[in-house]
Formats: sequence, structure tokens, C-alpha cells
Amino acid sequence: SQQGEEDPQALSIQEGENATMNCSYKTSINNLQWYRQNSGRGLVHLILIRSNEREKHSGRLRVTLDTSKKSSSLLITASRAADTASYFCATDDGSGGYQKVTFGTGTKLQVIP
Amino acid sequence: DTAVSQTPKYLVTQMGNDKSIKCEQNLGHDTMYWYKQDSKKFLKIMFSYNNKELIINETVPNRFSPKSPDKAHLNLHINSLELGDSAVYFCASSQVLRTGYNEQFFGPGTRLTVL
Repeated sequence: SQQGEEDPQALSIQEGENATMNCSYKTSINNLQWYRQNSGRGLVHLILIRSNEREKHSGRLRVTLDTSKKSSSLLITASRAADTASYFCATDDGSGGYQKVTFGTGTKLQVIP
Repeated sequence: DTAVSQTPKYLVTQMGNDKSIKCEQNLGHDTMYWYKQDSKKFLKIMFSYNNKELIINETVPNRFSPKSPDKAHLNLHINSLELGDSAVYFCASSQVLRTGYNEQFFGPGTRLTVL
């Protein structure tokens, strides 16, 4: 089964609003990453947060990590129509020696202009 | 320049055929992957190679055979294609050994349709 489960599965907001997506996972992790996938394209890495970090920022993105609750959230502030995409969390549990990354189920974000 | 490229972008074929998908990365990364994304957008790892050596081999039918001629290329050959093989296949690469972090760089995907 998937390591990460995201909610909501789909989110529709107006341009300028903030979008928050959540990811829950099951096992201990080394780090957690967030990716964006535009329709018909490959995934693009957005941000990585290590297990000893609680919060990280990159431009309009803010990621939090709560290892005690095994959850993470991705906040996109002042959303734009171009942010419309699917967003995936990915956990790296360090297994197999080469840090296999397991992707979550994804949140489909629609930003209405 | 495209960092991770895949060919073909679309592949439509009949059940029972054999097909290959090619992947190349020009990032100098040491690790490459094949992922399968189904119609519900679940992305599941299939294989991973590090410097031409197979390091991850998930529960994938042995009709799927990856081949890495060098660390910049990872191809996927599929024998006796079945309807359930229809999906989008993504190649990815990462530089784990130098960075310690498994940030993945994805190709554009190959949409495989088996009729």
C-alpha cells in the first residue's frame, strides 16, 4: 500500500487564496519531499524537509513536518492559476540502503482565475 | 537541454506484443528509476539502478526487464504486453551518493496503451 496518503484528494480555490494539502505516512522517515505534476507531465521536485526539521520555506511554499503525528502539510500562499496541478508527498524511509522514495496518493489542486 | 528524456512519448500496441521504452539523463546522476503511474495517479516504483547495478526490484512481473547499458541510460523492455500494463511510465534519476538526499528528476513520461 502507499506510504503517504494525502488529503484532500481534490481542492478548488480562487486565485489569491491559500491552498493547504496534508500528507500522512506510516513508518519512520529520513526526509519527506513534495512534488508537483502538471497535467500530462512528469513530476517536479518542490521542496525537501528532513526528519529533524519542523518547517521549511521556499518562495510561496511552506512545508511543515510533525514526525510524532507522521504528517506533513504543504501550504501555497497567494495561489495563482499556474499552480493548478497535482501535488504529491514522497517519503524516504532509508530502506534498502539506497533510500527508496515512496509517493503518496496526491492532491489535485485547481486554482480558478 | 532536457535533463531526463524518454522515448517514445506515446506507445499504442496490441496485447501480446513486445515493446521497449528508452530513458536518458544528462545530469550526471548515479541512480535511475522506472515508475508506473496508473489511471488513479498512483505512482509506484518498479526498478532502480545505481551505476548500472540493479538495487531496487519491486514486485513486478518478469515480463518487465530493465537494462542499463551505462549510468546515463535505463531502458525498459516489456514482453507479452497485457491490458493491465496500460499506464504512464516515468523514468527518473537522482544523485543520492553525493547529496545524501533522494530528490528525483523525472522524465516527461511514456503513455502506454495496450489494446
